Amino acid sequence: NAGVTQTPKFQVLKTGQSMTLQCAQDMNHNSMYWYRQDPGMGLRLIYYSASEGTTDKGEVPNGYNVSRLNKREFSLRLESAAPSQTSVYFCASSEAIGTNYGYTFGSGTRLTVV
Amino acid sequence: RKEVEQDPGPFNVPEGATVAFNCTYSNSASQSFFWYRQDCRKEPKLLMSVYSSGNEDGRFTAQLNRASQYISLLIRDSKLSDSATYLCVVRRNTNAGKSTFGDGTTLTVKP
Repeated sequence: NAGVTQTPKFQVLKTGQSMTLQCAQDMNHNSMYWYRQDPGMGLRLIYYSASEGTTDKGEVPNGYNVSRLNKREFSLRLESAAPSQTSVYFCASSEAIGTNYGYTFGSGTRLTVV
Repeated sequence: RKEVEQDPGPFNVPEGATVAFNCTYSNSASQSFFWYRQDCRKEPKLLMSVYSSGNEDGRFTAQLNRASQYISLLIRDSKLSDSATYLCVVRRNTNAGKSTFGDGTTLTVKP
């Protein structure tokens, strides 16, 4: 079982470049999430998708866009990367709300913007 | 004030010790509670859900006090392999079940 797969694992961008982080889950989960984690800080929600066809902003959405391509895939796009977006990005998925199931996370993407 | 606050740590304990972590949350609409474990440079992994009646999984015991909006995790007979950061997480059963993560408490178990 692959669970949640994120690509790439590492990326270095120059300021102003764009890129898309890919995420796919094979657990038939409805909800998917993108978080970023910075040193000394907890995970902060960027965007989430309650179900296929819906996306909503989280706590720190500025500078990002997302696409819920289908039930399996949820991508995160940086249109014009900035040094402040240097972080570790985690994708997660979850069963329907109203349960005690937690999240399953991908292994993360370490992004450096120079 | 942060929605989820944890003991900052770090906790440095000898093998075999008992250690407890505390967490408070501010949003009374929170309905599901979890502890996650995160190893250095790895993704968070679900350790256990926290139920109102309290629950135990081997050496780990989680407690929830809804009146005080307080969650705890007790680790008995600490092992070297328990060294990690422990994240307290609260989740609302609305808005796609968004979760709010605490900043984590770092535990180091020493021989």
